[in-house]
Amino acid sequence: EAGVTQFPSHSVIEKGQTVTLRCDPISGHDNLYWYRRVMGKEIKFLLHFVKESKQDESGMPNNRFLAERTGGTYSTLKVQPAELEDSGVYFCASSPPGINYGYTFGSGTRLTVV
Amino acid sequence: KQEVTQIPAALSVPEGENLVLNCSFTDSAIYNLQWFRQDPGKGLTSLLLIQSSQREQTSGRLNASLDKSSGRSTLYIAASQPGDSATYLCAVKEGGSEKLVFGKGTKLTVNP
Repeated sequence: EAGVTQFPSHSVIEKGQTVTLRCDPISGHDNLYWYRRVMGKEIKFLLHFVKESKQDESGMPNNRFLAERTGGTYSTLKVQPAELEDSGVYFCASSPPGINYGYTFGSGTRLTVV
Repeated sequence: KQEVTQIPAALSVPEGENLVLNCSFTDSAIYNLQWFRQDPGKGLTSLLLIQSSQREQTSGRLNASLDKSSGRSTLYIAASQPGDSATYLCAVKEGGSEKLVFGKGTKLTVNP
């Protein structure tokens, strides 16, 4: 089965610009998550979709971040406008329905804001 | 608030040695605990998933244990190889939510 796919793998943008990250989960995985790792810190939760609905967005840092999941399939995470502190690695993960399943992570998008 | 701590932060061992990585968490109300491996510049690869009702899981040379009441998990790697060099991450799925809470990881180097 295909894994979780993220693109781009790297993005370098200037402060104030907009960037959109995309995640394609494993087919049939209702749950989709976004996480972020900033330099020197642990990986932290951003938000959780169940199909197309946002289940928990308590980890979103501010209103410059907007996540969508069209038709319960792929998801996008838009940062507008980007700030220097947004630099880091953004991971997407998916899991089947049910609380006992583990996550499958994508390879991440390394975002650098200069 | 759930906090996950991994000790040591870095570990360097000679090839062939057996080793233990430690993970502790502050709130025992978890659904499960997952160990991941991350190679430089790569994503997270799931190694082992232990449900809250389980005590251990094994996969090849890896064995993970879970003591939920004391808030501890260990990852045992037998007969380490240079290819095991990576950062190992522990994460717990909090009870009452779907979030994973991660530790900072242990960077393992296995020297030939």
